[in-house]
Amino acid sequence: KAGVTQTPRYLIKTRGQQVTLSCSPISGHRSVSWYQQTPGQGLQFLFEYFSETQRNKGNFPGRFSGRQFSNSRSEMNVSTLELGDSALYLCASSLRQGLNTEAFFGQGTRLTVV
Amino acid sequence: AQTVTQSQPEMSVQEAETVTLSCTYDTSESDYYLFWYKQPPSRQMILVIRQEAYKQQNATENRFSVNFQKAAKSFSLKISDSQLGDAAMYFCAYRSANSGYSTLTFGKGTMLLVSP
Repeated sequence: KAGVTQTPRYLIKTRGQQVTLSCSPISGHRSVSWYQQTPGQGLQFLFEYFSETQRNKGNFPGRFSGRQFSNSRSEMNVSTLELGDSALYLCASSLRQGLNTEAFFGQGTRLTVV
Repeated sequence: AQTVTQSQPEMSVQEAETVTLSCTYDTSESDYYLFWYKQPPSRQMILVIRQEAYKQQNATENRFSVNFQKAAKSFSLKISDSQLGDAAMYFCAYRSANSGYSTLTFGKGTMLLVSP
């Protein structure tokens, strides 16, 4: 069974640009969550999607957005990139939202903003 | 809002020895889940062990066990017979059981170093 797949693995962007990261959950999983990991702030929750709807959102500016498709694949977009957006972005999928379900993580996308 | 605190930025242990990683959390909820995740250099977060708050019995997974003290809001991880492959960053995480969300709140992590 394939795990959570995040693409690309590495990305270098310039300040002011925008970027789109992709996450393919484990087959059959319908809940996808995104996290930002930085040395200073640690792991911070960005969004959670279930059945193509954003169900929960973390404390991030509107430059961070996301969506989920009918096949449960999810994308997150960051517009007008800032140096502080450099981070590891992790995606996690779960069979369903809430309840007693385990979250499986992908290997992340390392975004560097220069 | 819930918070998770890991007070040990780094811990060291020798192979075959036992080490305990500390975690405390703050919540007003009575029903929740607690987790320990391991993040090796490959960056992929791997679930080590989980604990349901309504269960008094401490969870155990092979060499990994927890000491869950609900009243003290403490959730420590004990690794017995440490192996070189245990070297990684360990994160303690909290998830509400009543919110309907799968959102995890993480601590800052503890880097575990294992020496031969």
